[in-house]
Amino acid sequence: GQQVMQIPQYQHVQEGEDFTTYCNSSTTLSNIQWYKQRPGGHPVFLIQLVKSGEVKKQKRLTFQFGEAKKNSSLHITATQTTDVGTYFCAVANAGGTSYGKLTFGQGTILTVHP
Amino acid sequence: EAGVAQSPRYKIIEKRQSVAFWCNPISGHATLYWYQQILGQGPKLLIQFQNNGVVDDSQLPKDRFSAERLKGVDSTLKIQPAKLEDSAVYLCASSSGRTYFGPGTRLTVT
Repeated sequence: GQQVMQIPQYQHVQEGEDFTTYCNSSTTLSNIQWYKQRPGGHPVFLIQLVKSGEVKKQKRLTFQFGEAKKNSSLHITATQTTDVGTYFCAVANAGGTSYGKLTFGQGTILTVHP
Repeated sequence: EAGVAQSPRYKIIEKRQSVAFWCNPISGHATLYWYQQILGQGPKLLIQFQNNGVVDDSQLPKDRFSAERLKGVDSTLKIQPAKLEDSAVYLCASSSGRTYFGPGTRLTVT
């Protein structure tokens, strides 16, 4: 399956600062999904990107898919304490009924200090 | 819309004992997955069902893990006998265009 490396492993920010996590692959990705997992919680789907150079926004969150489809990023503007959690990128096995057959990155743990 | 249901939420067992986890996916979702999430790591796929058939169980340690989805709805994941390294959160997920995870069962093997 397609492997993804995610950096950084940890990120500590002051409330109001920006945050970015990166997901990289040595091979071309068919798609990339982003999930958020609150402490003690389960992964929650945020977004899926499929097109080269795609950029999507959700309020303070901006998601990008690289032109070569080998990397992706999630950027949070002006973090809030509610943004605390682990952010995972994941690649879905393309096609058929395997939307949820995911290979996850290692995740970035975000801590926001008030 | 009800989410993916799992039980129990927590389980503590001794090594070499057996344990079973139950999952009820979102109504109408034909595809069901079991993932294992070890502390500090991303979830890892164990098995994928399509209705009551297994699509992919290549990462399931079949010497000790088994799973079934007899009627194409609920699913059960069993571990027998458990090892210390099986301590993890077991997540059930179902999908229909996007993936929904259940709350998970946190297993501690002592």
